[in-house]
Order: sequence, then structure tokens, then C-alpha cells
Amino acid sequence: GDSVTQMEGPVTLSEEAFLTINCTYTATGYPSLFWYVQYPGEGLQLLLKATKADDKGSNKGFEATYRKETTSFHLEKGSVQVSDSAVYFCALIYNNAGNMLTFGGGTRLMVKP
Amino acid sequence: DVKVTQSSRYLVKRTGEKVFLECVQDMDHENMFWYRQDPGLGLRLIYFSYDVKMKEKGDIPEGYSVSREKKERFSLILESASTNQTSMYLCASSLDRGHLETQYFGPGTRLLVL
Repeated sequence: GDSVTQMEGPVTLSEEAFLTINCTYTATGYPSLFWYVQYPGEGLQLLLKATKADDKGSNKGFEATYRKETTSFHLEKGSVQVSDSAVYFCALIYNNAGNMLTFGGGTRLMVKP
Repeated sequence: DVKVTQSSRYLVKRTGEKVFLECVQDMDHENMFWYRQDPGLGLRLIYFSYDVKMKEKGDIPEGYSVSREKKERFSLILESASTNQTSMYLCASSLDRGHLETQYFGPGTRLLVL
């Protein structure tokens, strides 16, 4: 079946460091890809998405590019802040009605001042 | 803004108890979902509903049931709680079947079963 694999956390960085959180997927077709973020004490919220190969999703300084050839959707940010500390989830969905989101295991990011 | 609320942030129950987790959304969304979140496993879908009185099994429905008597409310029921149901439970909603990917989540209920 379809699956999403994320790098294990926690990822600990100093403020202003460069962030990469790896995400790879296995799928039989061409899904849409997403990053959700869960801040402490809150529910998940959609951070960014890409619906086809080579698309780049971006939001709040975060970016991720849909790479079909490597089946990856790595999340990057050039300069992290303490407020970016959260758990990040990669997810996929097929664009047929009725298909559900498949989530990765989540990666906790801790940014220290 | 869409708001999804869950009745409790923390619950402690004993093995064998019947447990109700309530979720309410205020944006007239058709779809509602229940997930459990466990470290390293991400979110796993328990049940979902496309409309009032409709329910569909997700990936891990065993030991759970749901109720959707009103459009805005989706309840998760643990008929006889067990220790392996200790988890974080997340409720979500989305507009309709054409918008399954943009889900709005509640803050979660952390359930401990002793």
C-alpha cells in the first residue's frame, strides 16, 4: 500500500540554522503531497502542498518540491526561529474522490535560541 | 476561521469503561474524521463520515465506534476501553468530498487508560 516515511526526530537546531526534514513516499500513482504542522498544544494545520511533479509549495518561509524521480517532498527553511518548534507531518492523497490522507510518522523540530 | 473543538484535552479512564470523545465543528463541513496519533506512527484514521448518520471505517476501526446525529458533531466511542487505546485522539473536518486534503484539526484529546 501507499506509505510516507519521514526522518526520525527530534531535530534540534539553533536559531537561524538551515532546516531540512526528509520525506519520501511509495505510491502506485501520482498523489498530491502535503506538509502539516502541529504546534505545541494545538491540532495539525496545513503548511503547504504540491499537486504535481516539480511543483513547489511554499508558506511562512518553508518550501518543498515534489520530486517524482526520487519520490520525495523534503521540507526546507533557510533560517529557523524558535517559533518554528513543532511536529511536522508529511502526507499524501490521491486526487480521486474518496481517497484519504496518508500521514508519515511526524518529525519533531526543536529550535534553541 | 474554521474551528474544531474537542470536549476534553485530557482524560483518564479505567480498563473496561465506556468512553465518549466529542468533536464539534462550526463551519458546516460535510466531512469529519477521527484519528489517533502515536509516536513514530503518525496519524492513523479510525473512522470518518461524509454526512449525517453516515460512517465509514478507516484503517484501524477495531475497538471503536462513532456517531454522527448532527452535521456539526462527530463522536468517537470506546465501548470497553483497553490500555492499548491510550493515545492522543484528533478530530478533523473538511468541506466536502472534493476537499479531503485540506482538513482542519481540533487540539486533540490525550486519553490515558489505566
